Amino acid sequence: GDSVTQMEGPVTLSEEAFLTINCTYTATGYPSLFWYVQYPGEGLQLLLKATKADDKGSNKGFEATYRKETTSFHLEKGSVQVSDSAVYFCALSPGGATNKLIFGTGTLLAVQP
Amino acid sequence: DTGVSQNPRHKITKRGQNVTFRCDPISEHNRLYWYRQTLGQGPEFLTYFQNEAQLEKSRLLSDRFSAERPKGSFSTLEIQRTEQGDSAMYLCASSSSDSPLHFGNGTRLTVT
Repeated sequence: GDSVTQMEGPVTLSEEAFLTINCTYTATGYPSLFWYVQYPGEGLQLLLKATKADDKGSNKGFEATYRKETTSFHLEKGSVQVSDSAVYFCALSPGGATNKLIFGTGTLLAVQP
Repeated sequence: DTGVSQNPRHKITKRGQNVTFRCDPISEHNRLYWYRQTLGQGPEFLTYFQNEAQLEKSRLLSDRFSAERPKGSFSTLEIQRTEQGDSAMYLCASSSSDSPLHFGNGTRLTVT
């Protein structure tokens, strides 16, 4: 079945470092791809999305490009801040009637000043 | 837009007891989802409603679990005869047909 694989964390970076969190997926058909973020004590929030191949989603300095040839949707940010410390989840929606999401296991990012 | 609201935030219960959680979705959203999240894992899909109709249930949803959305607005998730393995964060999300899922803050269940 459809699935999402994320790099394991925690990822620990110094402020202003470059961030990459890898995400690959397995899906039949043409899924939509998402990154959600969960800040400490808060609910999941949509960070960015891409609905078709070669689309680039971007928000708050984060970017991810839908790569069909490598079945990947890696999250990047050029210069992280302490406030970016959170758990990041890659997810796919297989499409169809329900619009449900299938999540990866999450990657904890800790940014140190 | 007040967001998705879930109650209670925390629930501690003894094994064998029944528990019920409530979710109030964003008012204009006709789709409602329940997920379960255990420590160190991503959320796992449990069930989906479109208006009041329950259209999909995961194999994770055993016979002890039941969800309702009687008037197509709020939803309840009941777990009967709770087991320690039911301890998890239960998340509710809502959406419209052309919007992404919006999640609540969840109900954390601890079964002792």
